[in-house]
Amino acid sequence: KQEVTQIPAALSVPEGENLVLNCSFTDSAIYNLQWFRQDPGKGLTSLLLIQSSQREQTSGRLNASLDKSSGRSTLYIAASQPGDSATYLCAVPGYSGAGSYQLTFGKGTKLSVIP
Amino acid sequence: ETGVTQTPRHLVMGMTNKKSLKCEQHLGHNAMYWYKQSAKKPLELMFVYSLEERVENNSVPSRFSPECPNSSHLFLHLHTLQPEDSALYLCASSQGTELIYGYTFGSGTRLTVV
Repeated sequence: KQEVTQIPAALSVPEGENLVLNCSFTDSAIYNLQWFRQDPGKGLTSLLLIQSSQREQTSGRLNASLDKSSGRSTLYIAASQPGDSATYLCAVPGYSGAGSYQLTFGKGTKLSVIP
Repeated sequence: ETGVTQTPRHLVMGMTNKKSLKCEQHLGHNAMYWYKQSAKKPLELMFVYSLEERVENNSVPSRFSPECPNSSHLFLHLHTLQPEDSALYLCASSQGTELIYGYTFGSGTRLTVV
């Protein structure tokens, strides 16, 4: 059964700092990995989707890397801003016990960017 | 606008009430999902629909009843809920249930059972 771990659980940084969020997964036979952002009490906003054949994806100040063999992904945020404060979740798809598919999520990293 | 719209945004209901959550996607996707997010827990998959057919019921109690009348709409009918069912309920869609597709989530319905 796939398990996803995110470290750290919480992170507080001053504005302008570059930072890295980590995600690890136990079963490296994944098709893709998706990073989401969740603001308090809100839904999930997709940030980046990395297919298994890709090493990284970039969107603006965000860069996500994927190392399937080691079961790891990182989300790099450059020049952090207070508006980046949110919980960041990574998720990988996999077979569920009932024969279909589901996303397995980590518990997230809660990021606070201090002005 | 994320392309996946959920209503209502907030819902307070008594344990004897019957209510429904609605999800609509404007992305032309063929698969839709209900997830539950409780405090301090990872998201839990509840139901999966592919082309309007339920393909997964992830051991969800029968007081939650999904309905997918077409590939754009998904409902979650609620009856005789318990206070521990209070959570954020999220709807998602994807092009298909194949593992290569990413998911798009709605903004969720915050449910409080009193």
